[in-house]
Amino acid sequence: DAKTTQPTSMDCAEGRAANLPCNHSTISGNEYVYWYRQIHSQGPQYIIHGLKNNETNEMASLIITEDRKSSTLILPHATLRDTAVYYCIVSGGSNYKLTFGKGTLLTVNP
Amino acid sequence: DTGVSQDPRHKITKRGQNVTFRCDPISEHNRLYWYRQTLGQGPEFLTYFQNEAQLEKSRLLSDRFSAERPKGSFSTLEIQRTEQGDSAMYLCASSLVGRGNTIYFGEGSWLTVV
Repeated sequence: DAKTTQPTSMDCAEGRAANLPCNHSTISGNEYVYWYRQIHSQGPQYIIHGLKNNETNEMASLIITEDRKSSTLILPHATLRDTAVYYCIVSGGSNYKLTFGKGTLLTVNP
Repeated sequence: DTGVSQDPRHKITKRGQNVTFRCDPISEHNRLYWYRQTLGQGPEFLTYFQNEAQLEKSRLLSDRFSAERPKGSFSTLEIQRTEQGDSAMYLCASSLVGRGNTIYFGEGSWLTVV
């Protein structure tokens, strides 16, 4: 699986959009970009995933660059409950194993 | 869809004792995974099953660890002769092959070895 690079931490004001970047320059053609988040002491929560098109669901939007070497997770209106570690993971079609890095600690401030 | 269920949520045990964790995956999910997570680190893959077959084991899974999924439904993870280094959160996850393969995690089982 391709490696990803994420900032260690980010801050966001409550009610504003949170934009979390991820670099995955070695991504292969059949690999998806997955985003999970983990709130303190809980299991990872699936957020969204995509292959090459931008994706949106009730939680977030995922923007993938045309060359697929980077992506951005967007939380449109961050709340205090969105404070968590966000993991960007690249995984192949068989997807039998997710390799987690250290992720980005997003802190949403009042 | 009741989600992935893990039991117990917390376990404190003395060094040298055996412990067993149970995982009930999302109904009809045919893949089941075990991960381990220590403080400040991301989850690390331990092993996974497709139905009842254990298809891969990480080198992290020492001989003291054994996982089973006897009927392709729930799974157990047993740690024998626990050591303080086994203290961690043990996460179970499941997915349905062919239905997007999205992996869903349980809330984890915290193990403290004293």
